[in-house]
Amino acid sequence: EAGVTQFPSHSVIEKGQTVTLRCDPISGHDNLYWYRRVMGKEIKFLLHFVKESKQDESGMPNNRFLAERTGGTYSTLKVQPAELEDSGVYFCASSQDGLYNEQFFGPGTRLTVL
Amino acid sequence: AQSVTQLGSHVSVSEGALVLLRCNYSSSVPPYLFWYVQYPNQGLQLLLKYTSAATLVKGINGFEAEFKKSETSFHLTKPSAHMSDAAEYFCAVTRTGGGNKLTFGTGTQLKVEL
Repeated sequence: EAGVTQFPSHSVIEKGQTVTLRCDPISGHDNLYWYRRVMGKEIKFLLHFVKESKQDESGMPNNRFLAERTGGTYSTLKVQPAELEDSGVYFCASSQDGLYNEQFFGPGTRLTVL
Repeated sequence: AQSVTQLGSHVSVSEGALVLLRCNYSSSVPPYLFWYVQYPNQGLQLLLKYTSAATLVKGINGFEAEFKKSETSFHLTKPSAHMSDAAEYFCAVTRTGGGNKLTFGTGTQLKVEL
């Protein structure tokens, strides 16, 4: 069974540009999470989808970030326009329904904004 | 609000020695605690979790952790380190009704020396 996949693995963009990150969860996992790790700091929650609905987006930094999950399958996270402080590693995770079910993480996308 | 503190951003042990990675949590409600490991260029992998059953939790690869409510701790241990244990380790907490979103510590990089 394929794990959580993320694309691209690395992205280097200039300040002011737009970047879209993609996450493909494990098939059948209704829950999809986005997290971010800024260099040297902790991994922080961004948002949580249940199927195609946003369950919790309390961690989204500002309105330059837009997440979607059309059809309840893959998800995209768009940053527009990107700022220097958006640099970091963006992780996606997915899990089955149920309390405290294991979240399976993807390898992350390393975003560098110059 | 919840938080996690991992003491020691870098820990170095000799092969065969005891591994002890420290995690203290803060939570206003009964917590559910996790240890994840990240090997280079891979996603986070669940090592073990505490969800209010036995306070001593055994995980994969010979790791275990003990939940101590009086000390608000959930330290990770392994009796004998192996070179393959070199990785970054993250302690995380979640709570009932929190949608399973994880709050992470800043991570501990474990180095294993010959």
